[in-house]
Amino acid sequence: EPEVTQTPSHQVTQMGQEVILRCVPISNHLYFYWYRQILGQKVEFLVSFYNNEISEKSEIFDDQFSVERPDGSNFTLKIRSTKLEDSAMYFCATAGGDTQYFGPGTRLTVL
Amino acid sequence: EDQVTQSPEALRLQEGESSSLNCSYTVSGLRGLFWYRQDPGKGPEFLFTLYSAGEEKEKERLKATLTKKESFLHITAPKPEDSATYLCAVHLSGYALNFGKGTSLLVTP
Repeated sequence: EPEVTQTPSHQVTQMGQEVILRCVPISNHLYFYWYRQILGQKVEFLVSFYNNEISEKSEIFDDQFSVERPDGSNFTLKIRSTKLEDSAMYFCATAGGDTQYFGPGTRLTVL
Repeated sequence: EDQVTQSPEALRLQEGESSSLNCSYTVSGLRGLFWYRQDPGKGPEFLFTLYSAGEEKEKERLKATLTKKESFLHITAPKPEDSATYLCAVHLSGYALNFGKGTSLLVTP
């Protein structure tokens, strides 16, 4: 069964450093999403991406964040200058229609 | 204002003790209500999509139902492996999902 994969599974970084989180979507899916989940809190929407451009973004997704699909397969989330409050699980989700399928997540720890 | 409210926050059942989880929503023009299961440290795993009041879907010991204001996830004769957090979500303005806080289910042998 096709799955969404994410790398790395865990990323530890220093405050102010840039991080790139990677996702490999299910192959025939065209809609891509990033969500985050701070420990003990609910899953929150960050951004959606379709046809090589952002289609929606939340107020969390500020200028520190960017997304791209650099090579037609990977889908990435970049955080330019990490803050302590960026520590969370980051989930990629992909969809061919209404239903979104989530990856296993990247745990980002900002020290 | 929360659009999705789940109750109870936590539920402990004995193996075989059936129960229901509730998801209330306040969006107008529902375009889909989604149930996911989330194990600790893992990503949400898709269970069901419901689109219209009266719709029901089943998978093994789980059955999801939908009314105009809420959805129920019924768990029949649960087993310890059903222990997880169950998440309910609806679409925001576009296709982004707005999740509830979830119900943490523990099934003891």
